[in-house]
Amino acid sequence: DAKTTQPTSMDCAEGRAANLPCNHSTISGNEYVYWYRQIHSQGPQYIIHGLKNNETNEMASLIITEDRKSSTLILPHATLRDTAVYYCIVRVASGGYQKVTFGTGTKLQVIP
Amino acid sequence: GAVVSQHPSWVICKSGTSVKIECRSLDFQATTMFWYRQFPKQSLMLMATSNEGSKATYEQGVEKDKFLINHASLTLSTLTVTSAHPEDSSFYICSAGRRASYEQYFGPGTRLTVT
Repeated sequence: DAKTTQPTSMDCAEGRAANLPCNHSTISGNEYVYWYRQIHSQGPQYIIHGLKNNETNEMASLIITEDRKSSTLILPHATLRDTAVYYCIVRVASGGYQKVTFGTGTKLQVIP
Repeated sequence: GAVVSQHPSWVICKSGTSVKIECRSLDFQATTMFWYRQFPKQSLMLMATSNEGSKATYEQGVEKDKFLINHASLTLSTLTVTSAHPEDSSFYICSAGRRASYEQYFGPGTRLTVT
């Protein structure tokens, strides 16, 4: 799996959009970008994934640059419950049977 | 939706004893499950891949005789920490893959404390 680079931590004001960047300059053509988050002392939660087009679901939006070397996860209206560690992962899309390798992630603190 | 449960959610045991942690996929069949370990303020580290009906595949540096994994059915995988020591104290998390889905579903984790 390609390696990703994320900022160690970020703050965001409650109600504002949280934009979490991720660099994955060595991503291969068949690798997807996945985002998970882990709230303190809980298991990780899947957020969103994409290949090259921007994606949106009820939780977040994923913006992938045209060269696919970086992406941004957007939480449109951050709440205190969004405080968590966010992991950006790139992996081939072989379904849920492939192991997930976690990096260090970004610790997002949403501030009241 | 797909739910993965773990039991127990936390356990305290004495050094030298063995502890079994269960991971269940509640509403789907999981031929493959994964076990992770997470130390405080660190990221998740994959320990092993558990395949139903076959031997688990362990990551480099993980002792297979110490961390016994059994995947006896399509909905249950167990991790047994044998002869536990205080350095085995950690947060253990399992995940399961679902057929025809790109997602991997994670359990809530089990906090193990060895005294």
